[in-house]
Amino acid sequence: AQSVTQPDIHITVSEGASLELRCNYSYGATPYLFWYVQSPGQGLQLLLKYFSGDTLVQGIKGFEAEFKRSQSSFNLRKPSVHWSDAAEYFCAVAPQALTFGSGTRLQVQP
Amino acid sequence: KAGVTQTPRYLIKTRGQQVTLSCSPISGHRSVSWYQQTPGQGLQFLFEYFSETQRNKGNFPGRFSGRQFSNSRSEMNVSTLELGDSALYLCASSSGGAGTGELFFGEGSRLTVL
Repeated sequence: AQSVTQPDIHITVSEGASLELRCNYSYGATPYLFWYVQSPGQGLQLLLKYFSGDTLVQGIKGFEAEFKRSQSSFNLRKPSVHWSDAAEYFCAVAPQALTFGSGTRLQVQP
Repeated sequence: KAGVTQTPRYLIKTRGQQVTLSCSPISGHRSVSWYQQTPGQGLQFLFEYFSETQRNKGNFPGRFSGRQFSNSRSEMNVSTLELGDSALYLCASSSGGAGTGELFFGEGSRLTVL
């Protein structure tokens, strides 16, 4: 069975600082990996995805993520956080349907 | 291109009642998946429908059911509501299916059970 772990429940960063959100997955073969973002009262929006190939993937809103097979990780990064990035971020794994991690809530301080 | 539309957005029911939620996917998408989101359990997969057939099912009791119509619109039904069914129910559509992970989500239907 596939699973996802997001070790950080809540993270606070200052506006303009860099960001890294951690994600570890469990799956027997090469997984499909995703990051989604959920703003308050909204549905989820896909930020980026990894299927195969280049292990560094670029997404929307200036986000990127790196797939590291040896560490079973798919961490999300952004070099400079904006106040509008405050939201909840979910890592997810497929292809057995789509399994989500428990989420990391990002707070941005001015 | 219109997004995924879920109705109703908010509803309040009492224990023992039943509820039906509706989801209209993005035009051309044949896959509709349903998720339950709660603070304690997070996002949990309910089921996926593809071309009117249930393709995958999560670990929920039989009180939770769904269906998909020929126009790809989907409904989910919860019978004999329990307090623990209070949640945000999210619908997502996809052209290739939930297994591709490229899902487009609606804003959800927030169910409160009293």
